[in-house]
Amino acid sequence: QQQVKQSPQSLIVQKGGISIINCAYENTAFDYFPWYQQFPGKGPALLIAIRPDVSEKKEGRFTISFNKSAKQFSLHIMDSQPGDSATYFCAASRSTGRRALTFGSGTRLQVQP
Amino acid sequence: EAGVAQSPRYKIIEKRQSVAFWCNPISGHATLYWYQQILGQGPKLLIQFQNNGVVDDSQLPKDRFSAERLKGVDSTLKIQPAKLEDSAVYLCASSKKTGGGETQYFGPGTRLLVL
Repeated sequence: QQQVKQSPQSLIVQKGGISIINCAYENTAFDYFPWYQQFPGKGPALLIAIRPDVSEKKEGRFTISFNKSAKQFSLHIMDSQPGDSATYFCAASRSTGRRALTFGSGTRLQVQP
Repeated sequence: EAGVAQSPRYKIIEKRQSVAFWCNPISGHATLYWYQQILGQGPKLLIQFQNNGVVDDSQLPKDRFSAERLKGVDSTLKIQPAKLEDSAVYLCASSKKTGGGETQYFGPGTRLLVL
Protein backbone atom coordinates (compact mmCIF):
# COMPACT_ATOMS: atom_id res chain seq x y z
CA GLN A 1 0.00 0.00 0.00
CA GLN A 2 3.07 2.21 0.04
CA GLN A 3 3.71 2.07 -3.69
CA VAL A 4 3.70 4.96 -6.09
CA LYS A 5 3.58 3.82 -9.72
CA GLN A 6 5.04 6.10 -12.37
CA SER A 7 4.88 6.05 -16.16
CA PRO A 8 6.36 6.25 -18.70
CA GLN A 9 9.84 5.06 -17.88
CA SER A 10 11.30 7.29 -20.58
CA LEU A 11 10.00 10.07 -22.76
CA ILE A 12 11.34 11.87 -25.80
CA VAL A 13 9.75 15.20 -26.69
CA GLN A 14 10.57 17.80 -29.28
CA LYS A 15 11.50 21.31 -28.16
CA GLY A 16 8.34 23.31 -27.59
CA GLY A 17 6.20 20.23 -27.05
CA ILE A 18 4.28 19.09 -23.96
CA SER A 19 5.76 16.46 -21.66
CA ILE A 20 3.29 14.44 -19.57
CA ILE A 21 4.24 12.08 -16.76
CA ASN A 22 1.68 10.10 -14.78
CA CYS A 23 1.64 8.65 -11.28
CA ALA A 24 -0.78 6.59 -9.23
CA TYR A 25 -0.74 5.92 -5.50
CA GLU A 26 -2.45 3.45 -3.22
CA ASN A 27 -2.14 4.78 0.31
CA THR A 28 -5.07 7.11 1.06
CA ALA A 29 -3.14 8.50 4.04
CA PHE A 30 -0.84 10.35 1.65
CA ASP A 31 -1.69 14.05 1.58
CA TYR A 32 1.32 15.69 -0.02
CA PHE A 33 2.42 15.04 -3.60
CA PRO A 34 5.65 16.63 -4.84
CA TRP A 35 7.54 16.25 -8.08
CA TYR A 36 11.31 16.19 -8.00
CA GLN A 37 13.77 16.82 -10.82
CA GLN A 38 17.15 15.12 -10.81
CA PHE A 39 20.13 15.82 -13.05
CA PRO A 40 22.99 13.30 -13.37
CA GLY A 41 25.29 13.40 -10.37
CA LYS A 42 22.96 15.63 -8.38
CA GLY A 43 20.41 15.06 -5.67
CA PRO A 44 16.70 15.43 -6.43
CA ALA A 45 15.34 19.00 -6.27
CA LEU A 46 11.75 19.98 -5.62
CA LEU A 47 9.99 21.18 -8.76
CA ILE A 48 6.37 21.63 -7.70
CA ALA A 49 4.03 20.10 -5.14
CA ILE A 50 0.29 19.77 -4.52
CA ARG A 51 -2.05 18.85 -1.71
CA PRO A 52 -5.28 16.93 -2.38
CA ASP A 53 -7.58 19.86 -1.59
CA VAL A 54 -6.90 21.31 -5.05
CA SER A 55 -7.16 19.64 -8.45
CA GLU A 56 -4.50 21.64 -10.25
CA LYS A 57 -1.45 23.74 -9.48
CA LYS A 58 0.58 25.70 -11.98
CA GLU A 59 4.00 27.24 -11.60
CA GLY A 60 5.41 28.70 -14.77
CA ARG A 61 5.62 25.98 -17.41
CA PHE A 62 4.95 23.21 -14.87
CA THR A 63 1.45 22.05 -13.91
CA ILE A 64 0.31 19.27 -11.58
CA SER A 65 -3.13 17.77 -12.16
CA PHE A 66 -4.57 15.80 -9.27
CA ASN A 67 -7.49 13.33 -9.27
CA LYS A 68 -8.23 12.30 -5.69
CA SER A 69 -10.98 9.80 -6.53
CA ALA A 70 -8.75 7.98 -9.01
CA LYS A 71 -5.68 8.36 -6.78
CA GLN A 72 -3.71 9.69 -9.71
CA PHE A 73 -1.65 12.79 -10.41
CA SER A 74 0.36 13.99 -13.33
CA LEU A 75 3.02 16.51 -14.29
CA HIS A 76 2.68 18.56 -17.45
CA ILE A 77 5.67 20.48 -18.79
CA MET A 78 4.58 23.03 -21.35
CA ASP A 79 6.93 24.38 -24.02
CA SER A 80 9.53 21.75 -23.12
CA GLN A 81 13.15 22.90 -23.45
CA PRO A 82 16.42 20.98 -23.83
CA GLY A 83 17.35 22.20 -20.34
CA ASP A 84 14.38 20.24 -18.99
CA SER A 85 16.14 17.00 -19.94
CA ALA A 86 16.46 15.18 -16.62
CA THR A 87 14.87 12.41 -14.58
CA TYR A 88 11.58 13.28 -12.95
CA PHE A 89 10.24 11.55 -9.86
CA CYS A 90 6.77 11.79 -8.45
CA ALA A 91 6.46 11.21 -4.74
CA ALA A 92 3.91 11.07 -1.98
CA SER A 93 3.98 11.43 1.75
CA ARG A 94 1.98 12.13 4.84
CA SER A 95 2.24 15.61 6.29
CA THR A 96 2.47 14.41 9.90
CA GLY A 97 4.49 11.79 11.74
CA ARG A 98 6.36 9.56 9.33
CA ARG A 99 6.79 12.16 6.60
CA ALA A 100 9.30 10.31 4.46
CA LEU A 101 8.70 10.46 0.74
CA THR A 102 7.65 7.38 -1.22
CA PHE A 103 9.05 7.88 -4.70
CA GLY A 104 7.96 6.59 -8.07
CA SER A 105 10.47 4.79 -10.25
CA GLY A 106 11.32 7.87 -12.31
CA THR A 107 10.87 9.10 -15.87
CA ARG A 108 13.89 9.99 -17.98
CA LEU A 109 12.89 12.94 -20.13
CA GLN A 110 14.85 13.90 -23.20
CA VAL A 111 13.90 17.10 -25.01
CA GLN A 112 15.32 17.20 -28.51
CA PRO A 113 16.29 20.59 -29.98
CA GLU B 1 21.59 29.52 2.63
CA ALA B 2 23.98 26.59 2.35
CA GLY B 3 22.53 23.34 1.12
CA VAL B 4 22.77 19.84 2.51
CA ALA B 5 26.40 18.74 2.59
CA GLN B 6 27.50 15.12 2.19
CA SER B 7 30.87 13.43 2.16
CA PRO B 8 32.55 11.62 0.66
CA ARG B 9 31.10 12.03 -2.82
CA TYR B 10 32.41 8.68 -4.03
CA LYS B 11 33.56 5.52 -2.28
CA ILE B 12 34.77 2.20 -3.62
CA ILE B 13 35.16 -0.70 -1.21
CA GLU B 14 35.31 -4.46 -1.32
CA LYS B 15 32.51 -6.60 0.01
CA ARG B 16 32.62 -7.30 3.73
CA GLN B 17 34.43 -4.01 4.36
CA SER B 18 32.83 -1.20 6.36
CA VAL B 19 32.04 2.31 5.20
CA ALA B 20 30.62 5.49 6.73
CA PHE B 21 28.88 8.47 5.20
CA TRP B 22 28.45 11.91 6.72
CA CYS B 23 25.67 14.46 6.31
CA ASN B 24 25.34 18.05 7.49
CA PRO B 25 21.77 19.29 7.03
CA ILE B 26 20.59 22.81 6.36
CA SER B 27 20.85 24.92 9.49
CA GLY B 28 17.68 24.85 11.53
CA HIS B 29 16.19 21.78 9.87
CA ALA B 30 15.03 19.43 12.58
CA THR B 31 14.19 16.48 10.34
CA LEU B 32 16.87 14.47 8.58
CA TYR B 33 16.43 11.55 6.20
CA TRP B 34 18.73 8.99 4.65
CA TYR B 35 17.60 7.49 1.36
CA GLN B 36 19.15 4.76 -0.79
CA GLN B 37 18.91 5.22 -4.56
CA ILE B 38 19.81 2.19 -6.65
CA LEU B 39 20.66 2.95 -10.27
CA GLY B 40 17.52 3.44 -12.34
CA GLN B 41 15.18 3.57 -9.34
CA GLY B 42 13.63 6.19 -7.11
CA PRO B 43 15.13 6.90 -3.68
CA LYS B 44 13.95 4.64 -0.85
CA LEU B 45 13.90 5.68 2.78
CA LEU B 46 16.38 4.10 5.13
CA ILE B 47 15.83 6.19 8.26
CA GLN B 48 14.14 9.39 9.45
CA PHE B 49 15.35 11.46 12.40
CA GLN B 50 13.46 14.20 14.20
CA ASN B 51 16.14 16.15 16.06
CA ASN B 52 18.27 13.31 17.45
CA GLY B 53 15.45 10.79 17.80
CA VAL B 54 14.50 8.09 15.29
CA VAL B 55 11.02 8.47 13.78
CA ASP B 56 11.14 5.66 11.22
CA ASP B 57 13.80 3.02 10.66
CA SER B 58 11.48 0.26 9.50
CA GLN B 59 13.30 -0.14 6.17
CA LEU B 60 16.83 0.01 7.56
CA PRO B 61 18.64 -3.37 7.31
CA LYS B 62 19.67 -3.25 10.93
CA ASP B 63 21.94 -6.28 10.74
CA ARG B 64 24.42 -4.25 8.68
CA PHE B 65 23.28 -0.63 8.60
CA SER B 66 23.38 1.84 11.48
CA ALA B 67 22.81 5.56 11.71
CA GLU B 68 23.08 8.20 14.36
CA ARG B 69 22.40 11.88 14.68
CA LEU B 70 24.22 13.19 17.70
CA LYS B 71 23.19 16.59 19.04
CA GLY B 72 20.40 16.76 16.45
CA VAL B 73 22.58 18.20 13.70
CA ASP B 74 25.08 16.10 11.71
CA SER B 75 24.39 12.48 10.94
CA THR B 76 26.44 9.45 9.97
CA LEU B 77 25.28 6.32 8.18
CA LYS B 78 27.42 3.19 8.47
CA ILE B 79 27.40 -0.10 6.61
CA GLN B 80 29.24 -3.05 8.16
CA PRO B 81 29.83 -5.42 6.46
CA ALA B 82 28.99 -4.21 2.95
CA LYS B 83 27.41 -6.46 0.34
CA LEU B 84 27.47 -6.16 -3.44
CA GLU B 85 23.80 -5.13 -3.43
CA ASP B 86 24.63 -2.09 -1.30
CA SER B 87 26.08 -0.39 -4.38
CA ALA B 88 23.92 2.72 -4.71
CA VAL B 89 23.79 6.44 -4.12
CA TYR B 90 23.10 7.36 -0.51
CA LEU B 91 21.16 10.59 -0.28
CA CYS B 92 20.72 12.73 2.78
CA ALA B 93 17.80 15.14 2.95
CA SER B 94 16.61 17.64 5.53
CA SER B 95 13.41 19.55 6.01
CA LYS B 96 11.49 21.94 8.18
CA LYS B 97 7.75 21.74 8.43
CA THR B 98 5.83 24.26 6.37
CA GLY B 99 2.15 24.99 6.41
CA GLY B 100 1.08 23.15 3.29
CA GLY B 101 3.47 20.25 3.27
CA GLU B 102 7.14 19.64 3.67
CA THR B 103 9.96 20.45 1.29
CA GLN B 104 12.81 18.04 1.57
CA TYR B 105 16.16 19.35 0.43
CA PHE B 106 18.57 16.74 -0.84
CA GLY B 107 22.32 16.69 -0.78
CA PRO B 108 24.38 15.58 -3.80
CA GLY B 109 24.67 12.05 -2.46
CA THR B 110 27.50 9.61 -1.87
CA ARG B 111 27.99 7.12 -4.68
CA LEU B 112 29.07 3.75 -3.24
CA LEU B 113 30.47 0.93 -5.31
CA VAL B 114 30.99 -2.42 -3.60
CA LEU B 115 33.30 -4.81 -5.46
